[in-house]
Amino acid sequence: DGGITQSPKYLFRKEGQNVTLSCEQNLNHDAMYWYRQDPGQGLRLIYYSQIVNDFQKGDIAEGYSVSREKKESFPLTVTSAQKNPTAFYLCASSPGLAGSYEQFFGPGTRLTVL
Amino acid sequence: AQSVTQLGSHVSVSEGALVLLRCNYSSSVPPYLFWYVQYPNQGLQLLLKYTSAATLVKGINGFEAEFKKSETSFHLTKPSAHMSDAAEYFCAVSAGWGNEKLTFGTGTRLTIIP
Repeated sequence: DGGITQSPKYLFRKEGQNVTLSCEQNLNHDAMYWYRQDPGQGLRLIYYSQIVNDFQKGDIAEGYSVSREKKESFPLTVTSAQKNPTAFYLCASSPGLAGSYEQFFGPGTRLTVL
Repeated sequence: AQSVTQLGSHVSVSEGALVLLRCNYSSSVPPYLFWYVQYPNQGLQLLLKYTSAATLVKGINGFEAEFKKSETSFHLTKPSAHMSDAAEYFCAVSAGWGNEKLTFGTGTRLTIIP
């Protein structure tokens, strides 16, 4: 089955530690996205990538970093510089410029920083 | 720049009653519009999308939405609510024209009263 996988589902870290969230897709999509979700705030874009080896900052990139070395993978690192990292993180992908512009979402990773 | 406003962060309807979730958008170019549904601790699933074809769009699970340019609205409706419709619903807008970034509303939590 084609889709987007995120691992782990739940993640706990101590304050001050960097943590990397995994996102893999087998949909052959060019574009991938990372969102942060907090109660009552909807989804906010952290980073996005429209092609391998290229990515752009979204609306709330401070304290986060990404890489896009392979088309199917777009890992997100939450660094110790992120002041309030506890949140639900969602990864998404879309076909690319010739596509229908809809985004397909993974199941999410809930990060709790203690 | 695009923006979305969802009126009502919480909506309650009785089982079998009409569901109406409101979404107004702002866009400097003809928009692409989407409704997504999210069940607790899960990713987002596309309900329906408007991409400049028919103004009345039918989606999954009996939902539909009507694009009204004069009112800058894209309200989501379902004639008869079912208990399984209880979830959070997000409206999103894209600039289209090769720009796949989505801007999300803050969401509406739908509760179904038995």
